[in-house]
Amino acid sequence: DAGVTQSPTHLIKTRGQQVTLRCSPKSGHDTVSWYQQALGQGPQFIFQYYEEEERQRGNFPDRFSGHQFPNYSSELNVNALLLGDSALYLCASSLRRLADPSYEQYFGPGTRLTVT
Amino acid sequence: EDKVVQSPLSLVVHEGDTVTLNCSYEVTNFRSLLWYKQEKKAPTFLFMLTSSGIEKKSGRLSSILDKKELFSILNITATQTGDSAIYLCAVNSGGSNYKLTFGKGTLLTVNP
Repeated sequence: DAGVTQSPTHLIKTRGQQVTLRCSPKSGHDTVSWYQQALGQGPQFIFQYYEEEERQRGNFPDRFSGHQFPNYSSELNVNALLLGDSALYLCASSLRRLADPSYEQYFGPGTRLTVT
Repeated sequence: EDKVVQSPLSLVVHEGDTVTLNCSYEVTNFRSLLWYKQEKKAPTFLFMLTSSGIEKKSGRLSSILDKKELFSILNITATQTGDSAIYLCAVNSGGSNYKLTFGKGTLLTVNP
């Protein structure tokens, strides 16, 4: 059973450029959440996608956008990159159970983005 | 704004020691508290806690939640060098949607 996969593993971009990160959820999962983890910090919630729509968003500017495809995979796009966008970007997948008060997220290995 | 605070931020112990990691939280709509271990990249799931006073155990690791005092502890007994990692506490407070709010983590170093 394939877990959460992310690509690329790492990349280096220049300030002002745009980047697209990709995530495939764990088999059977329908919800994808994206997190940004700066060095020495815990992950910060960017947004979550379910049924191809953004369902909730954290405190991130509009430069951060996303998309979910019919096969539940997702992309995170960041425009006009800043040095401060350098971080590990984690994707997490889960199965949405509205009747369940809590459910677990499985994390992918992350994409290490360096902005120079 | 939802907040999760972990302490200590870092800890150095010797193999065989017992450690207690702390997590306190302030969230508007608590659903569950989760503990993760992060060694290199992907956080790996340890425990999910939803009810007060019920201890969850997995081998040498255990955790308990106090919803009245808004905190949780993670205990690791007979530590091993392989326990060296960042331990992350997160609270699910999404309401009808869902999101995890993480603490900064506790960096645990176990020396032989």
